[in-house]
Amino acid sequence: AAGVIQSPRHLIKEKRETATLKCYPIPRHDTVYWYQQGPGQDPQFLISFYEKMQSDKGSIPDRFSAQQFSDYHSELNMSSLELGDSALYFCASSSGLAGLYFGPGTRLTVT
Amino acid sequence: ILNVEQSPQSLHVQEGDSTNFTCSFPSSNFYALHWYRWETAKSPEALFVMTLNGDEKKKGRISATLNTKEGYSYLYIKGSQPEDSATYLCAIGGSNYKLTFGKGTLLTVNP
Repeated sequence: AAGVIQSPRHLIKEKRETATLKCYPIPRHDTVYWYQQGPGQDPQFLISFYEKMQSDKGSIPDRFSAQQFSDYHSELNMSSLELGDSALYFCASSSGLAGLYFGPGTRLTVT
Repeated sequence: ILNVEQSPQSLHVQEGDSTNFTCSFPSSNFYALHWYRWETAKSPEALFVMTLNGDEKKKGRISATLNTKEGYSYLYIKGSQPEDSATYLCAIGGSNYKLTFGKGTLLTVNP
C-alpha cells in the first residue's frame, strides 16, 4: 500500500538559507500535518491543512510557511534558517477518522 | 476548536514500575480517540483507536480506556521497560473529521 512520501530525506543548509520540504500524502487523504522534532526534544506540532486550507496552527515560526496544493501534496518553506531549525520534520496524512499515517521524516541540518 | 490536554507533560519511572497517563478532551463533539507512540527519530506508531464509551483496548503490556461522558482516556503501561521510553500522543477526532493532537506525554523509563 502507498505510504506518505517525504522529500528530501536529508537536507543540509547553511544559516540564513531557505529550505523547502515536500510531503505527498496517501492517495485520497485530505488532511496533512507537519511536526518538528529537535534533537532530544518532544515532537512539536507546526501546522495542518484540510482540503487545501490551513486548519490548525501550532508552534510554527513566522519564518516558516506552508501550503497544500490542488493535488493535496504539501510544502513547508523555511527561510532565514537558524541553527536551531536543525531537526527531524515529519509529515502525516489522514482521511476522516481512519487514523494518522506518518512519513519517514526529513532530517534538516543547518550549519 | 477541540482542546486536547495530556498529563503529565513528562514522566520518569523505574524499570518494572507500572504507570499511566491521561488524555482529556471536550465530551461533546467526540467521534474517536487515537493513541500514538512516538520514539525519537522514528515515525509515530499507532497504538489504539477507540470510539465507544467504556472501550478498553490492550496491546501487550499497554492498555487504554475511554470515558466519553466525562471526556478522558487513560493509557496504562504495566511493568515499564526502557524500550517503552517515548512520547505518547493522544489525538481526538471531532465532527469535522479533523484530528486534534495533544502535546504528548514524554515517558522515560530508567533501567
